[in-house]
Amino acid sequence: EVVLWESGGNLVQRGGSLRLSCSASGFKFSDYSMSWVRQAPGKGLEWVSSISDSGFFVYNAEALQGRFTISRDNADNTVDLQMHNLEVDDTGVYYCVRGGSRSLASFHFDHWGRGDLVTVSS
Amino acid sequence: QSVLTQPPSVSAAPGQKVTVSCSGSTSNIGSNSVSWYQHLPGTVPKLLIYDNDKRPSGIPDRFSASKSGTSATLGITGLQTGDEADYYCATWDNSLSGGVFGGGTKVTVL
Repeated sequence: EVVLWESGGNLVQRGGSLRLSCSASGFKFSDYSMSWVRQAPGKGLEWVSSISDSGFFVYNAEALQGRFTISRDNADNTVDLQMHNLEVDDTGVYYCVRGGSRSLASFHFDHWGRGDLVTVSS
Repeated sequence: QSVLTQPPSVSAAPGQKVTVSCSGSTSNIGSNSVSWYQHLPGTVPKLLIYDNDKRPSGIPDRFSASKSGTSATLGITGLQTGDEADYYCATWDNSLSGGVFGGGTKVTVL
């Protein structure tokens, strides 16, 4: 069974930093791209960042303006999201998701973690 | 404002059919395949459709989807109260070099 377990969510002040981690099990981690998707309160889903199976390719949402960095450790089966200079609008549930295909032309997420709450206070 | 445009809400009676549209552009839907997600209240989003029209195992054939040009459509037949949820389309955008979601459509069973 594929399990994705996020941790690290917390209450942080505006301008602060936070690191989310996702621990994966139940599949060969190094064969899959991984991503983070978030949902602000009362809003829709928003793609945040993706990293290829090898970790060589990284993609980030332009709106984040370089504040977030995704990384992975294939030996440890983990994918992290380092977040800096957090803004109130970064508040939301952050989901760790598994990519269903190696091809960007078939970009989709076939497994989701339960999500972790990040709250940024002003 | 989302790159992919979905209607905020659609509704129909139990047993009827609803469709949810997703409109994009040549850099996203026009170039890449579309996926659809169901987000039931209090649960984690679930993949319903990938590669425009493929259903993962376990997804009933009441759910179907298609793509034409720069638009995609999700259809739900035999509507059930358990289908009340938010539905999102998503794809890759070549111009943005990133993933994009639609704004979501709330499906209500009357």
